[in-house]
Amino acid sequence: QVQVVQSGAEVKKPGASMKVSCKASGYTFTNYYIHWVRQAPGQGLEWMGIVNPSGDRTSYAQKFQGRVTMTRDTSTSTVYMELSSLRSEDTAVYYCARDPSGKFALDYWGQGTLVTVSS
Amino acid sequence: QSVLTQPPSASGTPGQRVTISCSGSSSNIGDNTVNWYQQLPGTAPKLLIYRNNQRPSGVPDRFSGSKSGTSASLAISGLQSEDEADYYCAAWDDSLNGPVFGGGTKLTVL
Repeated sequence: QVQVVQSGAEVKKPGASMKVSCKASGYTFTNYYIHWVRQAPGQGLEWMGIVNPSGDRTSYAQKFQGRVTMTRDTSTSTVYMELSSLRSEDTAVYYCARDPSGKFALDYWGQGTLVTVSS
Repeated sequence: QSVLTQPPSASGTPGQRVTISCSGSSSNIGDNTVNWYQQLPGTAPKLLIYRNNQRPSGVPDRFSGSKSGTSASLAISGLQSEDEADYYCAAWDDSLNGPVFGGGTKLTVL
């Protein structure tokens, strides 16, 4: 069965970097895009970017350009999202999710990773 | 301020029919398909409707979606207590070259 499992919660200091992993199983990893979406406490969903695991192509939301890097490791079917220069406003739950068609119909989501940025 | 506009809240009693609207523009809803997500408290979002009106396997037919021009709607009939959740619309935006979400609608079952 399809599974998308993310790494555990993290606490970071302002100015530091974070790196969240997203391990996929139960399907052909390179056949599906992976998106990253975040949700600040009590707020709505915010798209961060997309990775094409077959060719390592990425596209990021303008808001995160220069601060975010998304990569993939096909040998372990894992996608990584690294966000640098963290500030308190980056405190959020970060989700990865699978996209079968490129039309943003995200059919399988990770469980979410809470990242807290605090001094 | 979200690119797609949803009412912040909606409510209904068990058995009622409720609709949630999602308003956008020609660069997103007008030119692309709309997806809807349901987020139960403390859980990851779940795909509820894709390609405007298609239901993934396992989603009850009480949930339906529609789109007209630059707006879309999610309808829930035969409202149940377990439908109490946040609902988000989403669509690709050609101007932003990325997907956008609505601000979310909190549905309360009275």
